Amino acid sequence: KAGVTQTPRYLIKTRGQQVTLSCSPISGHRSVSWYQQTPGQGLQFLFEYFSETQRNKGNFPGRFSGRQFSNSRSEMNVSTLELGDSALYLCASSLGGLAGAGQDTQYFGPGTRLTVL
Amino acid sequence: DQQVKQNSPSLSVQEGRISILNCDYTNSMFDYFLWYKKYPAEGPTFLISISSIKDKNEDGRFTVFLNKSAKHLSLHIVPSQPGDSAVYFCAAIINTDKLIFGTGTRLQVFP
Repeated sequence: KAGVTQTPRYLIKTRGQQVTLSCSPISGHRSVSWYQQTPGQGLQFLFEYFSETQRNKGNFPGRFSGRQFSNSRSEMNVSTLELGDSALYLCASSLGGLAGAGQDTQYFGPGTRLTVL
Repeated sequence: DQQVKQNSPSLSVQEGRISILNCDYTNSMFDYFLWYKKYPAEGPTFLISISSIKDKNEDGRFTVFLNKSAKHLSLHIVPSQPGDSAVYFCAAIINTDKLIFGTGTRLQVFP
């Protein structure tokens, strides 16, 4: 079956702009989690959506937001971009989400590489 | 405050030998630990996990050891193969709520 897909794969923006990234989970998965990966900080958890509701949130400013649609597809939005937002943004889907961790593996997409100039 | 730490940014091992990747954590409330492998331009893939109530879990060439008193876990790969060359992340789950990752260790397996 098809894996997690993310669009676009690459994106270049300038400071102050806003950006929307999209993630389509594996069919049947209801949980989508978003992560930011940078060389200095490694992988950091942004937030998780389950059945259109944000269930968990990491320590990121309010400029980072997201939503999930009824078909489980999720979007992440970053407003007023800063240079430090340049990163690889990964989404991961799973059946039950983080609450089912251990028995419920998260499957990651290939990521969207965002460059902020 | 990094709750999950991988203090070695890189590791180089000869093919056929054992690779040992280490991870330290600070929060005794973590209840599950996972290891992920990541190739360039791809998302991480799940490798192996261990519950906090166990001290060892084995899956083929991969074994994870957990030392709760030392708040330390390690991933052993035996024997190491060139295809194992990747970045390895350990991650911890707290209250089955949130998955917190370490910063990763780049493993290079040379012939």
